[in-house]
Amino acid sequence: DTAVSQTPKYLVTQMGNDKSIKCEQNLGHDTMYWYKQDSKKFLKIMFSYNNKELIINETVPNRFSPKSPDKAHLNLHINSLELGDSAVYFCASSQDMDSYNSPLHFGNGTRLTVT
Amino acid sequence: AQRVTQPEKLLSVFKGAPVELKCNYSYSGSPELFWYVQYSRQRLQLLLRHISRESIKGFTADLNKGETSFHLKKPFAQEEDSAMYYCALAGGTSYGKLTFGQGTILTVHP
Repeated sequence: DTAVSQTPKYLVTQMGNDKSIKCEQNLGHDTMYWYKQDSKKFLKIMFSYNNKELIINETVPNRFSPKSPDKAHLNLHINSLELGDSAVYFCASSQDMDSYNSPLHFGNGTRLTVT
Repeated sequence: AQRVTQPEKLLSVFKGAPVELKCNYSYSGSPELFWYVQYSRQRLQLLLRHISRESIKGFTADLNKGETSFHLKKPFAQEEDSAMYYCALAGGTSYGKLTFGQGTILTVHP
């Protein structure tokens, strides 16, 4: 199935723990993103990578570290989780960074709950 | 700074009624605007983009630079239009970055 897939779908963990969310796309896209959807449903970009190179880092705490082993994968590692990290995290990809001609393809999201 | 505002969190209409989902933006340059939609149990996906002047599933959206708006319209709503709709803006140096609005949940009643 051609898509952006992210795992896990749900993640419940305690404060202080370290966790990772994985994302893979088989669309042959060059650019991948992480977006965070908060409790008010705002979608905000966190990071974007183009051909494994970090392009956008939107003032995200250092506890969040994206890693792109190849252009088909963009994982998100979060250290020392805090209650405020609870959100839905969406991975997305696009053909390239031309946002107009390369629409975003989203994953299904990972709902992270920090207790 | 760029910002997108969708003033209505929830919008309910009856089948066959016209629907308009409002979107206003703040951006000093020449904006690129999009509507994304998320149907129940489906991924967020692109619905339409302003410069294409396209009509997708009966929806249209016109960019009004004077009013800094990009409202989404459909003359006759269908039940299958029920979904979450996001307005999004891309511009200038934020190449590759979309700024999303808060989203509007549209419910079309039979």
